Amino acid sequence: EPEVTQTPSHQVTQMGQEVILRCVPISNHLYFYWYRQILGQKVEFLVSFYNNEISEKSEIFDDQFSVERPDGSNFTLKIRSTKLEDSAMYFCASSASTGADTQYFGPGTRLTVL
Amino acid sequence: SQQGEEDPQALSIQEGENATMNCSYKTSINNLQWYRQNSGRGLVHLILIRSNEREKHSGRLRVTLDTSKKSSSLLITASRAADTASYFCATDRFIQGAQKLVFGQGTRLTINP
Repeated sequence: EPEVTQTPSHQVTQMGQEVILRCVPISNHLYFYWYRQILGQKVEFLVSFYNNEISEKSEIFDDQFSVERPDGSNFTLKIRSTKLEDSAMYFCASSASTGADTQYFGPGTRLTVL
Repeated sequence: SQQGEEDPQALSIQEGENATMNCSYKTSINNLQWYRQNSGRGLVHLILIRSNEREKHSGRLRVTLDTSKKSSSLLITASRAADTASYFCATDRFIQGAQKLVFGQGTRLTINP
């Protein structure tokens, strides 16, 4: 069964460093998403992406964040200058279409900012 | 703002018993989805129920949706130890053609052998 994959599974970085989290969505999906979950808290929407542009972003997704689909298979989330409060689990998701459609989530990348 | 809230926050039952988790939300929705998350792992999609549906089944799972009360329930019948996980409801709405999920805090379910 097709699945969303994410790399790395765990990323440790120093405050102020740039990180890039990578995702490979399900191959025939057109809509892509990033969510995050701070430890012990609820999953929060960050950004949605369709047709090579951002459809919507949350207040969390400030100028330090960016997303890109550099080729036909990868979808990346970049944090330019990490802060301690960026430590969280980051989930990528994809869906085939919008409407009544399931979003399939990857296993997540645990980001630890020291 | 639109928000799913589950109750109870934690539920502990014996293997074989049924587990019921509830979710309430505040604004109108298009669909409601239930996900499971094992500790520290990814989100596994369980079931999607559309706003014009009242009940849906998938194996041992039964989901109901009451849009007049803005609530949903997830019933797991004949629970197993492997069902131990956190369960989240997620409501969605469309913004400019994109579907944004809003998650609740989750119910932590423990199945005791």
